[in-house]
Amino acid sequence: DAGVTQSPTHLIKTRGQHVTLRCSPISGHKSVSWYQQVLGQGPQFIFQYYEKEERGRGNFPDRFSARQFPNYSSELNVNALLLGDSALYLCASSLVGGVGSGANVLTFGAGSRLTVL
Amino acid sequence: GQNIDQPTEMTATEGAIVQINCTYQTSGFNGLFWYQQHAGEAPTFLSYNVLDGLEEKGRFSSFLSRSKGYSYLLLKELQMKDSASYLCAVSAIYGGATNKLIFGTGTLLAVQP
Repeated sequence: DAGVTQSPTHLIKTRGQHVTLRCSPISGHKSVSWYQQVLGQGPQFIFQYYEKEERGRGNFPDRFSARQFPNYSSELNVNALLLGDSALYLCASSLVGGVGSGANVLTFGAGSRLTVL
Repeated sequence: GQNIDQPTEMTATEGAIVQINCTYQTSGFNGLFWYQQHAGEAPTFLSYNVLDGLEEKGRFSSFLSRSKGYSYLLLKELQMKDSASYLCAVSAIYGGATNKLIFGTGTLLAVQP
């Protein structure tokens, strides 16, 4: 069974450009989350989507947006790229269970490494 | 606010035992996760604690004390392949979903021969 797949794996953009990153969750997982990981830091929460609705947003500017499609895949869009947006962008999927449920375990994809020049 | 603290780096010897500590402050606590991340790769799930106590899974064990806001990951019989970053993450409840993870900066473990 395929895990979480992300594309592209690597990309280089220049300041001011726009980027779209894509994610396909594990089959049966309806929740998709996006994280940004800067080198040497832990992942930072950007968005969570569940059943095609935004369920949470981290402390990121409006240049960051996302959506989830009927097949539960997701896109992360970043406009007006800045040098500081250079990072590994991780997508994670999960089931969603009640409080304390093991269904909440996130499975991460390999990530999209974005370099902004 | 929410805060996760863990040591930045640790060094241990092959075959030994190492304990990586994590302290946290958060509202809406919904469990504590440990992930392993090799350089250039995605984080992979190691353990999940929601109740106080010790969870054992092979060479890896994780402990949680909710009253103290404290967890540790214990790695036994260290192998060279265990050299990686170990991420402590707290799951916080918000809205209708329960999967927001707040990560620490990670502990970079170097296993030496």
